[in-house]
Amino acid sequence: AQSVTQLDSQVPVFEEAPVELRCNYSSSVSVYLFWYVQYPNQGLQLLLKYLSGSTLVKGINGFEAEFNKSQTSFHLRKPSVHISDTAEYFCAVSWNTGNQFYFGTGTSLTVIP
Amino acid sequence: DVKVTQSSRYLVKRTGEKVFLECVQDMDHENMFWYRQDPGLGLRLIYFSYDVKMKEKGDIPEGYSVSREKKERFSLILESASTNQTSMYLCASSDLLNTEAFFGQGTRLTVV
Repeated sequence: AQSVTQLDSQVPVFEEAPVELRCNYSSSVSVYLFWYVQYPNQGLQLLLKYLSGSTLVKGINGFEAEFNKSQTSFHLRKPSVHISDTAEYFCAVSWNTGNQFYFGTGTSLTVIP
Repeated sequence: DVKVTQSSRYLVKRTGEKVFLECVQDMDHENMFWYRQDPGLGLRLIYFSYDVKMKEKGDIPEGYSVSREKKERFSLILESASTNQTSMYLCASSDLLNTEAFFGQGTRLTVV
């Protein structure tokens, strides 16, 4: 069965420090990869996505992620976080062999002043 | 600006009531999805639809049904609401290839 794993449920980080949120998935065959952010009591907003081409993907708010096919990973990074980055982050995968999205369980990022 | 609209942000219903959650998208998307979100469990797929009148069960369909009579509208129905269905419900839509899921603002349902 297809699966998406976010290893860290909570990540505290000081303001202006770098952060990496990890995401692994079960198979790299024909995948589309996504990171979404959710602020309290809101829906999910797309941060970035990988469909094809360059494995380094840049998104909104200074975030970027790298598709690593051999390690089946799609880790999210930001070199310097702000208080406003405090939110829940979800990794998602869509396999071309299926017709739905698979989501990780989420990582709660807390930026400490 | 593309949009997925859910009919209610907050709902409070009594146990045993029939509950309708409505979702409308304006992007002419083929695929539409209903998810349930609970702390620590992420997003769990209830049902999805890839065409009018077509539907497929997701991971947790028990206690729910759906209706898609028009391409832009996808309804989630709780036949007899129970307290364990208290949750955040998220609707999403996508093109046929699932190149991106667009989400509504969510409906926080409380069943008392």
